[in-house]
Amino acid sequence: GQQLNQSPQSMFIQEGEDVSMNCTSSSIFNTWLWYKQDPGEGPVLLIALYKAGELTSNGRLTAQFGITRKDSFLNISASIPSDVGIYFCAGQPTTPLVFGKGTRLSVIA
Amino acid sequence: NAGVTQTPKFRILKIGQSMTLQCTQDMNHNYMYWYRQDPGMGLKLIYYSVGAGITDKGEVPNGYNVSRSTTEDFPLRLELAAPSQTSVYFCASSYGDQPQHFGDGTRLSIL
Repeated sequence: GQQLNQSPQSMFIQEGEDVSMNCTSSSIFNTWLWYKQDPGEGPVLLIALYKAGELTSNGRLTAQFGITRKDSFLNISASIPSDVGIYFCAGQPTTPLVFGKGTRLSVIA
Repeated sequence: NAGVTQTPKFRILKIGQSMTLQCTQDMNHNYMYWYRQDPGMGLKLIYYSVGAGITDKGEVPNGYNVSRSTTEDFPLRLELAAPSQTSVYFCASSYGDQPQHFGDGTRLSIL
């Protein structure tokens, strides 16, 4: 089946630093989504991307739909303690979504 | 709106027991999904449904059954619980190919 490679698997950063993570696919996707999962809760949608080259922001978060349609990037600027959690990318060649394995982010105050 | 509601939140089962994980959504979404998340891992699709009366297997359907008799409800059934089914189970829903909305999960331990 479809697979997404999400990296890095985990990150430890200082509060105030910027964060970058990415997802790549072996096939073309029509949609890229980024979710965040807080401990003990379900994933919550952060950003949805629908067009190659699209750059979308949500507060301190910025995500891009790669022009090859095989990758996507998520950046978090000026990290704060509440950014801690697992970030998942998800892509959609067709229904249903394919999820990456997640990037676990830890923020050191 | 409650969104996607899953019950129970926690459950401990003995090997061989059966149970049903409940999922209901009040957003009138036509698509619903069941995922499992093992420790430190991503989400694996168990089953999904694109409408009442229609279900399809996902990546890891063995040991599970589903039904979709109404738009709102999508229960997941474990017939003979096995230790390998210890996991956190998430239900999600969407309107067609729109982004999925997730419930808060059911934490299931099988001993």
